[in-house]
Amino acid sequence: ILNVEQSPQSLHVQEGDSTNFTCSFPSSNFYALHWYRWETAKSPEALFVMTLNGDEKKKGRISATLNTKEGYSYLYIKGSQPEDSATYLCALMTTDSWGKLQFGAGTQVVVTP
Amino acid sequence: SQTIHQWPATLVQPVGSPLSLECTVEGTSNPNLYWYRQAAGRGLQLLFYSVGIGQISSEVPQNLSASRPQDRQFILSSKKLLLSDSGFYLCAWSVREDYYNEQFFGPGTRLTVL
Repeated sequence: ILNVEQSPQSLHVQEGDSTNFTCSFPSSNFYALHWYRWETAKSPEALFVMTLNGDEKKKGRISATLNTKEGYSYLYIKGSQPEDSATYLCALMTTDSWGKLQFGAGTQVVVTP
Repeated sequence: SQTIHQWPATLVQPVGSPLSLECTVEGTSNPNLYWYRQAAGRGLQLLFYSVGIGQISSEVPQNLSASRPQDRQFILSSKKLLLSDSGFYLCAWSVREDYYNEQFFGPGTRLTVL
């Protein structure tokens, strides 16, 4: 089982503030890293699939960076809004576990007005 | 468009009783199918995945089994539930030709074993 770690476990953000959090993973045999957003009472929804060292993705106010050599990815939320409140999951896919994702435990983000 | 259904949404079962959770996908063919469980305070744990009818891979030794009787149907079962089987169960699918395996999740089933 791959060790995918997310930190912090939870964080509280004031509306309008920016924040970021981390996903750490073993750097060997990297193939892809997924970010999902999981809102309460909804299904997890894919945000990004990151595939190359130095890859950066952006969707609206949310962006992500990837460093496969050192084994981490950052997710950034700029100008947090209450609708950004959710648990953010990262999931690793390696070259020797193709088709399977190893999920981290998630970072729960609560944005307060 | 593709949709994924799971039922029931919630389930309370006594220890030792059988279990059957069903997942169906619409609007796609030959999907990869997955069963995950989220135990309290933990991440998503892959339980089973399937690349085709009758093809099931088990990821974690446990009290559960899975079957895929039809292309877009995935069933999670147990003959006798344990307390430790409580959790939130998610079914997911992905496009078989997607090398990066983006997965699409169903609404989930909250199982409480008493």
